[in-house]
Amino acid sequence: NAGVTQTPKFRILKIGQSMTLQCTQDMNHNYMYWYRQDPGMGLKLIYYSVGAGITDKGEVPNGYNVSRSTTEDFPLRLELAAPSQTSVYFCASSYSMETQYFGPGTRLLVL
Amino acid sequence: DAKTTQPTSMDCAEGRAANLPCNHSTISGNEYVYWYRQIHSQGPQYIIHGLKNNETNEMASLIITEDRKSSTLILPHATLRDTAVYYCIVRVAINTGTASKLTFGTGTRLQVTL
Repeated sequence: NAGVTQTPKFRILKIGQSMTLQCTQDMNHNYMYWYRQDPGMGLKLIYYSVGAGITDKGEVPNGYNVSRSTTEDFPLRLELAAPSQTSVYFCASSYSMETQYFGPGTRLLVL
Repeated sequence: DAKTTQPTSMDCAEGRAANLPCNHSTISGNEYVYWYRQIHSQGPQYIIHGLKNNETNEMASLIITEDRKSSTLILPHATLRDTAVYYCIVRVAINTGTASKLTFGTGTRLQVTL
């Protein structure tokens, strides 16, 4: 199993541009999550999903959108990139409310 | 949310046991304690979790006090590859209990030295 994979690994965006961060898991987990980690800080929950077609906001959802059309994929969309969205983004998955397993992260720089 | 308090940093000699403390005095009766670690800027790696009883796996042991207000993560024989930031987290139910979230603090930076 590859576990949780994320693409791209690193991206530079200009202010106002948009992009989609991809996340895929092959563990047949029903729950998936997006977190962001600012320098020197812990992770904060952006959005989560408890199954295909079901998503909900976390602690810091503003400026982001998600969709969950399949069990495996949970993309995170940034519509109008802002410098405040410079961060490292981690995707995670779990079987129901059990242990969450994280991907390697996407480092995003907005200039 | 139940908050956790950890030392900012700790040192440990290679081959010795690393004991990482965590205070979670506001934890509720059905909330689990989780430990993750993060090496450099990689994704957090799951280590161990527990509710009331002490737990052990191939990576570490978790000792939870009887009143559940604190816990200790034990790496029995630390190696240089165990140098990382260790997070003690209380898993909190959200959305009327249909999901849960992990609230990461700033963790303990463990430095293992020769």
